[in-house]
Amino acid sequence: KNQVEQSPQSLIILEGKNCTLQCNYTVSPFSNLRWYKQDTGRGPVSLTIMTFSENTKSNGRYTATLDADTKQSSLHITASQLSDSASYICVVSAWPYKYIFGTGTRLKVLA
Amino acid sequence: DADVTQTPRNRITKTGKRIMLECSQTKGHDRMYWYRQDPGLGLRLIYYSFDVKDINKGEISDGYSVSRQAQAKFSLSLESAIPNQTALYFCATKSQAYNEQFFGPGTRLTVL
Repeated sequence: KNQVEQSPQSLIILEGKNCTLQCNYTVSPFSNLRWYKQDTGRGPVSLTIMTFSENTKSNGRYTATLDADTKQSSLHITASQLSDSASYICVVSAWPYKYIFGTGTRLKVLA
Repeated sequence: DADVTQTPRNRITKTGKRIMLECSQTKGHDRMYWYRQDPGLGLRLIYYSFDVKDINKGEISDGYSVSRQAQAKFSLSLESAIPNQTALYFCATKSQAYNEQFFGPGTRLTVL
């Protein structure tokens, strides 16, 4: 069964600190993995996308890693800001066109 | 994303009523999707369309129907709403050439 599991479910950190969110998946055949940011009351917005051959991808203060052998991905947020407070969703695409969504990690950044 | 709009943004209705949610896009994408999001669950696919008049069921299509009369518009209908259809509904679009979905702002539907 295709599944995407994320941890932790929720996380609270102080502004300026770093944090790492985890995503484990069992999806076959794997096409790509994407991290989305979803602000409260809004639709998800893409942060990064990685294919099988890529093991790291950065977008500003966001860095995603992918280990295709262990089927794990992480999203590292550096020097967190209040605006980083949101849900972060890991989505794995199974070829040719199926998307499997994780339940998300809810991040709260405190001043 | 202003390129994908959904109407209404919020709707409260009663059990048994017919409801239509609209999605419009100006991105020129051929593929459109309807998802629902429930607390503690990932987004789940209801229906998707790869082109005008093309309709495909997702994993939770029971109780829903869709219409794709134009490339830019994809509407979702609940013929007879029930309380467990209370959820946040998202429309998404995607071009055939590029593997990224763009989501609308969502419609919060409450069925009493």
